[in-house]
Amino acid sequence: SQQGEEDPQALSIQEGENATMNCSYKTSINNLQWYRQNSGRGLVHLILIRSNEREKHSGRLRVTLDTSKKSSSLLITASRAADTASYFCATDAASGTYKYIFGTGTRLKVLA
Amino acid sequence: DAGVIQSPRHEVTEMGQEVTLRCKPISGHNSLFWYRQTMMRGLELLIYFNNNVPIDDSGMPEDRFSAKMPNASFSTLKIQPSEPRDSAVYFCASSPGTGGTFGSGTRLTVV
Repeated sequence: SQQGEEDPQALSIQEGENATMNCSYKTSINNLQWYRQNSGRGLVHLILIRSNEREKHSGRLRVTLDTSKKSSSLLITASRAADTASYFCATDAASGTYKYIFGTGTRLKVLA
Repeated sequence: DAGVIQSPRHEVTEMGQEVTLRCKPISGHNSLFWYRQTMMRGLELLIYFNNNVPIDDSGMPEDRFSAKMPNASFSTLKIQPSEPRDSAVYFCASSPGTGGTFGSGTRLTVV
């Protein structure tokens, strides 16, 4: 399967610091998405980056995509305690089937 | 827009019983996905529909699992008979083509 693998599995930082999470995948993609999941809740879509894009911003979020390395990173700047959650990347097949496969997630803890 | 609506939120059932999970996607979204989330296996895609037609059910673990989408506004995931190892949170998501909106999930406990 083309499951994404997030790295690190867990990350603990102080409020105000930046948090960087990485995602690697196996096969060609149309796009890659990042989701957040608060404990016991559903997933919230954060940002989508297409295979022909290299960087995308949304508020305090910055996503990069390197298709040659089959990897993406999610940067959260000036983190807040409310950013504490698990973050997942999801990739779809280049065939455009909209079948999204999720990675294993990074558990982020932001300490106040 | 109320988002993707799943019911029930919680389900506790005895082993061997039939369980039906329900999902109402966002109006206008033509793709619908069922996922299962456990600590051990993470988020697994079970099946997805496009325009109410099942496109890929390769993630459905066993014949005990079945899913239907009789119309654009409703889908069900049925487990019959249920087993303790089916205990998980089941998410439904819908998408207009890119991106996806998830429901709040159904937490299933089979005892």
